[in-house]
Order: sequence, then structure tokens, then C-alpha cells
Amino acid sequence: NAGVTQTPKFRVLKTGQSMTLLCAQDMNHEYMYWYRQDPGMGLRLIHYSVGEGTTAKGEVPDGYNVSRLKKQNFLLGLESAAPSQTSVYFCASRPDVSGYTFGSGTRLTVV
Amino acid sequence: GENVEQHPSTLSVQEGDSAVIKCTYSDSASNYFPWYKQELGKRPQLIIDIRSNVGEKKDQRIAVTLNKTAKHFSLHITETQPEDSAVYFCAASNFGNEKLTFGTGTRLTIIP
Repeated sequence: NAGVTQTPKFRVLKTGQSMTLLCAQDMNHEYMYWYRQDPGMGLRLIHYSVGEGTTAKGEVPDGYNVSRLKKQNFLLGLESAAPSQTSVYFCASRPDVSGYTFGSGTRLTVV
Repeated sequence: GENVEQHPSTLSVQEGDSAVIKCTYSDSASNYFPWYKQELGKRPQLIIDIRSNVGEKKDQRIAVTLNKTAKHFSLHITETQPEDSAVYFCAASNFGNEKLTFGTGTRLTIIP
């Protein structure tokens, strides 16, 4: 039982490049989330999903896309990376209205 | 939507003393209030949560209190230890809401 696994853990991108962050959970959770964390700004919700095949926008969705083709996976895509997207990205999941389980994070630097 | 405010943003206490972090929320329908601890370079981890049908919950040196009338809840850490140094986040949600709303975090430093 690995919980929530994020890949990759670190990545450096050049401006304009694209990439996909993968979040996988083995707890059969319905809800999954992508957050970004910047210094002094706490956790900001990018996109989330309430079940397989569903996605919804959070508070900072611009520049990101997501997909949830399988219940256990939630992908976050950056189509054209910008320096403003330099951040630490956390995925989280939850079974219902209870606490989140977070992944270990992806540290992304866009140069 | 829900708005959660957290105070203070930084807190330093002597080892062995108590620490209190407070959060207020705006949505009177909120009924689930978790607290997360995030150590430097690590993921946030759930340390305690409370639901609106109780006013207080304890787990060893950690306790959370809830005042639904005033719409605020607090984290209390007693007999603080160096390993309590971390950033703490509060959050709020209700059973009809699909996501948690987080506070902006409190950086707690325990002074040896």
C-alpha cells in the first residue's frame, strides 16, 4: 500500500516546454486534487476530480490541464511552461468528506 | 465560498511551553476541521481533525477546540518539543463540499 505517489520528484523545464505530472493512489479514493505551494502563500488548488472521468477547476487553473481517465490516476499537464509556474506541486486524495492524503510533492523549476 | 483565516503566521515558543494556533471560518455550514503539519521539505500530514458534533478532541499533546457559534477553531500543543517545529495548516469543509479550504499556515518554531 504505497498511498499517493507522485512522479517525477524534481524537474527543470525551459520556458515554453510541456510536461505531465503523474499522481497515482492505491487507496480506491474517489476524490483527487492538485495543489501548488509557493513560499508564504500556502496551498492553492489548481484542479480537482470527484471521480473517474470528471475534472473541475480550482482557484488557480490557468495554464494547467488535467485528466482522470482511470480512478487511480490524476494527471496534471503544463502545455507551455512559464517561470510563474515554478513551484512545488502536491497531489492529494480522499475517500469522502475527510482528511486528505498528500503525495510527497514535485519540485518544478521553469527557467 | 468558504474563507479560512489563520493566525499567527509565525510563532516562536520555548521548549516545554504551550502553543496555540487559531483559525476562523466564514461558512456556517462547515462541519469538518482538520489540521495538517508540514515539516521542511516534506508533505503536509494530517495530525488531528474534529467534526462539528464535538467541541474538543485530544490526542496526547495535541488538542483541537471548536466554537461553532463564533466560527473559530484552535490547535493546542502542550509540552512542546523541537520536533514540533513545522508549518501548521488548518482547513474547513462541509459534507456537501467537494474540497477543503486551507488557511495560509503558521510557522511554529520551538526554541531549545
